[in-house]
Amino acid sequence: GAGVSQSPRYKVAKRGQDVALRCDPISGHVSLFWYQQALGQGPEFLTYFQNEAQLDKSGLPSDRFFAERPEGSVSTLKIQRTQQEDSAVYLCASSSGEVATDHEQYFGPGTRLTVT
Amino acid sequence: AQSVTQPDIHITVSEGASLELRCNYSYGATPYLFWYVQSPGQGLQLLLKYFSGDTLVQGIKGFEAEFKRSQSSFNLRKPSVHWSDAAEYFCASRGHDSGYSTLTFGKGTMLLVSP
Repeated sequence: GAGVSQSPRYKVAKRGQDVALRCDPISGHVSLFWYQQALGQGPEFLTYFQNEAQLDKSGLPSDRFFAERPEGSVSTLKIQRTQQEDSAVYLCASSSGEVATDHEQYFGPGTRLTVT
Repeated sequence: AQSVTQPDIHITVSEGASLELRCNYSYGATPYLFWYVQSPGQGLQLLLKYFSGDTLVQGIKGFEAEFKRSQSSFNLRKPSVHWSDAAEYFCASRGHDSGYSTLTFGKGTMLLVSP
């Protein structure tokens, strides 16, 4: 596709439910990032993949959060036993090279998760 | 640790007037600096970036930003604002240590454009 796509765009979950958020990066992009953007805040880093390898998951707020990118393209962010504080927009971004280079990160439109 | 401060939560500017959005960064060395714009329901779009060299950088949509090392600032400017510029603007930094590093964002400034 032309850009990064994310699905679903909106998700309402009852507290305690599990959710899965999908990210389709730009084809061929090596690097993939997940960010969490709470209401009124800037995005905050969650995790980073280089191809299928998850090189950094230091931003994941708890062990209820899990991300994978098994074939080095599509990625899924899973949240188990959702809590109200998980309500946020989850942004995915991809870039063409390793993060240490100058490559720009291209962002998807985000998934707005509301936990009731 | 890096941090980015955007001191203005909201700014209202009349259409046609000039604009300056403030950004200050905290980092041991000169980081890479970025400005993104986010319209409702849209992803973040990169306006411009500074890596090195000329401290005045030009971006898309008529925006520019000036890096000032002495003030640890990277303010975004536009000489004449259009109604379509109403959006939220985020300043971000990224270190360039060996290895990788990710973006650190400010909390954003919401730009409102009055007729």
